Amino acid sequence: ETGVTQTPRHLVMGMTNKKSLKCEQHLGHNAMYWYKQSAKKPLELMFVYSLEERVENNSVPSRFSPECPNSSHLFLHLHTLQPEDSALYLCASSPYSSGTYEQYFGPGTRLTVT
Amino acid sequence: GQQVMQIPQYQHVQEGEDFTTYCNSSTTLSNIQWYKQRPGGHPVFLIQLVKSGEVKKQKRLTFQFGEAKKNSSLHITATQTTDVGTYFCAGYYNQGGKLIFGQGTELSVKP
Repeated sequence: ETGVTQTPRHLVMGMTNKKSLKCEQHLGHNAMYWYKQSAKKPLELMFVYSLEERVENNSVPSRFSPECPNSSHLFLHLHTLQPEDSALYLCASSPYSSGTYEQYFGPGTRLTVT
Repeated sequence: GQQVMQIPQYQHVQEGEDFTTYCNSSTTLSNIQWYKQRPGGHPVFLIQLVKSGEVKKQKRLTFQFGEAKKNSSLHITATQTTDVGTYFCAGYYNQGGKLIFGQGTELSVKP
């Protein structure tokens, strides 16, 4: 499946580094999402963008900064992360941001913070 | 707050046995979705249930939505090794307007 792509697939960074995760969807969807998936925890919604406007910010620490330059691209900028931020970061898209639409997930970025 | 509880957290079965995972919400859901995540993979949409008491089938998978739209179940008949993975339910509440995922049930199948 290549509807939603994410790069990089794996990332190791130190706590003082700055890095960015990239997501691209080729489905013509209007909504994009960032989720965090930690071991033994449910999927945690971080941010929702609808038509390039942020509509949801789930009390995420400011060391995570999203950017949505257009409806096909979504970034997650990372800086001064903590070891507990190590997780799988999943991007998803859906036709619209209403929960009545199924979400299409990318393969994820496995992030390790050392 | 709104949350979706899913049980069990883990289920180990012998190939050919049946498997069921349950989702419960304290408040009425607008609809519920089910996803499957294979080991090392990402969640993939399976189905959406909208109507009270709705039952949908996909081959050996049967999905149910409770009459009160507060609970749902996924039942797999005669499991196969290809069924291995984590099954998530995700409930949508009109109030709040977002999809809330359950904790997932990890299914392992012994051949």
